[in-house]
Amino acid sequence: DTGVSQDPRHKITKRGQNVTFRCDPISEHNRLYWYRQTLGQGPEFLTYFQNEAQLEKSRLLSDRFSAERPKGSFSTLEIQRTEQGDSAMYLCATPILNYGYTFGSGTRLTVV
Amino acid sequence: DQQVKQNSPSLSVQEGRISILNCDYTNSMFDYFLWYKKYPAEGPTFLISISSIKDKNEDGRFTVFLNKSAKHLSLHIVPSQPGDSAVYFCAARGYGGATNKLIFGTGTLLAVQP
Repeated sequence: DTGVSQDPRHKITKRGQNVTFRCDPISEHNRLYWYRQTLGQGPEFLTYFQNEAQLEKSRLLSDRFSAERPKGSFSTLEIQRTEQGDSAMYLCATPILNYGYTFGSGTRLTVV
Repeated sequence: DQQVKQNSPSLSVQEGRISILNCDYTNSMFDYFLWYKKYPAEGPTFLISISSIKDKNEDGRFTVFLNKSAKHLSLHIVPSQPGDSAVYFCAARGYGGATNKLIFGTGTLLAVQP
């Protein structure tokens, strides 16, 4: 059991469809991160929230991607017009120990 | 530009022996280094960390060594157990700034043979 819940665990979608993932930290954190992991790679930073403010976005986050954290608690990540290259595991994380993260179990996206 | 590198994609070790996983980095401004373990279909799990001002940190069977002059860190697992079989990622945190994001290596798949 991690301190972060992600939903859904798996998503299969057709190319061109929109998908939305949700991240719920179990305890309140003002900081929240989204990462993406593809096969053979380590997790790559996508975006960072401090409370409801999105303070940093990676260049990996194209204009088809949007993330929100409307009340500074849960967060959503939406991908519009999905492409096969979007297939990956999307990970949400909150801080632990002041210098590391605890990750959720991730959402595995497969675009067919 | 890969700032954190794990040059060994895989490692196989006999149960009971020592596993040594290596990681190199290029940015001397990193202030914390961490190791994560990942099983298939799960998120990474924090394992152990080390501050850049230290050269060793130990937690049970896991020890991380940091060589700042060589920009190299390693994770030692002794004795290795079959349940340790997983992908291990090293990660580094950039110093300063509001984001404190972690930069990960590409991972090493450890297989511990019974």
